[in-house]
Amino acid sequence: NAGVTQTPKFRILKIGQSMTLQCTQDMNHNYMYWYRQDPGMGLKLIYYSVGAGITDKGEVPNGYNVSRSTTEDFPLRLELAAPSQTSVYFCASGGSGLFNQPQHFGDGTRLSIL
Amino acid sequence: AQKITQTQPGMFVQEKEAVTLDCTYDTSDQSYGLFWYKQPSSGEMIFLIYQGSYDEQNATEGRYSLNFQKARKSANLVISASQLGDSAMYFCAMREGSGTYKYIFGTGTRLKVLA
Repeated sequence: NAGVTQTPKFRILKIGQSMTLQCTQDMNHNYMYWYRQDPGMGLKLIYYSVGAGITDKGEVPNGYNVSRSTTEDFPLRLELAAPSQTSVYFCASGGSGLFNQPQHFGDGTRLSIL
Repeated sequence: AQKITQTQPGMFVQEKEAVTLDCTYDTSDQSYGLFWYKQPSSGEMIFLIYQGSYDEQNATEGRYSLNFQKARKSANLVISASQLGDSAMYFCAMREGSGTYKYIFGTGTRLKVLA
């Protein structure tokens, strides 16, 4: 079972470049999330989506954009990359709106901005 | 506002002994879920155990158990018979039940199991 798949696994960007982090899930989950994890820290929510066509900001949305055109895909776009966006990015999905559902995580994308 | 606090940045435990990782939470909601995740050095996030606010019994999953004290707002993870493979970062997380879809994570505890 693939679960949540993130690509790429690693990327180095130059300041000012743009890129899209891909996330796809095959569990037919409605809820999807993007987090960033800075070294030695916990996860901070960037954006989330409760279904195709519906997205909302999390804790740290500045500098990022998302879209959700299908249930499976939830790409995260970085515009004008900055060194402060160097981090590990995790995509996660969850099945329902119930608070007893754990999230399923992808393996992460390690992004460096130089 | 909901908040998760993990006050132990790092812990050591001898192999085969038990260890408790602390987690306290803050919420005004009556319905919520508490989760523990393991993040080994390879980086992936692995779901370990769940406790619901209405659950009367402490959750258990194999060597993992959750010491849930609702009045104290604590949800400590207990790992019994520690193994070298338990060395990892452990995160406590919470999700409220009142219409939010967000999960809040603590800053984590790094556990090192000693041979």
